[in-house]
Amino acid sequence: GIQVEQSPPDLILQEGANSTLRCNFSDSVNNLQWFHQNPWGQLINLFYIPSGTKQNGRLSATTVATERYSLLYISSSQTTDSGVYFCAGPGYSSASKIIFGSGTRLSIRP
Amino acid sequence: DSGVTQTPKHLITATGQRVTLRCSPRSGDLSVYWYQQSLDQGLQFLIQYYNGEERAKGNILERFSAQQFPDLHSELNLSSLELGDSALYFCASSVEGEAQATYEQYFGPGTRLTVT
Repeated sequence: GIQVEQSPPDLILQEGANSTLRCNFSDSVNNLQWFHQNPWGQLINLFYIPSGTKQNGRLSATTVATERYSLLYISSSQTTDSGVYFCAGPGYSSASKIIFGSGTRLSIRP
Repeated sequence: DSGVTQTPKHLITATGQRVTLRCSPRSGDLSVYWYQQSLDQGLQFLIQYYNGEERAKGNILERFSAQQFPDLHSELNLSSLELGDSALYFCASSVEGEAQATYEQYFGPGTRLTVT
């Protein structure tokens, strides 16, 4: 089945720094989502981005489907950005309808 | 707020017991997904229902079952609980069309199950 790899696994930054999180897929994808899981466990939709680039405030994402990767950019980090960031894409089978990466744990220091 | 609701938020029960988790999808969404998030397994897809019918089945144990009712709410039943079933259980919903495609999903707040 399709494999999803996220990097880096952990990232510690000072408030105000910028960061880039990466999601690689083992096969081409026709849609992809980015989520933020906050310290309270809530999964928050960030982007649904099959291809191209989208921006929402300090966050933006780019997916290059043909090259099987997506990037999430966070600019001017705030402590509230801390948490785990997941990407998820289609598994292309009934048993693996949606595949999540293992996440990037981001810690923003004040 | 995603518009997806889940109850209860927390559940503590003993091994061997049975529990039911409930999910109401966003208004207009016909598809409901269940996921399990445990420390050692990450986020795992369990099962999907679309308009009352099972559409996809993932890593769901035989002790677990789910259904979607005519009003589109869904329940996940977990029986003969074991310590390893302790996890966060999420429900998500989406507008779904083609069975083989995947669509943007919106997640509920989750139910934290602790089996003692």
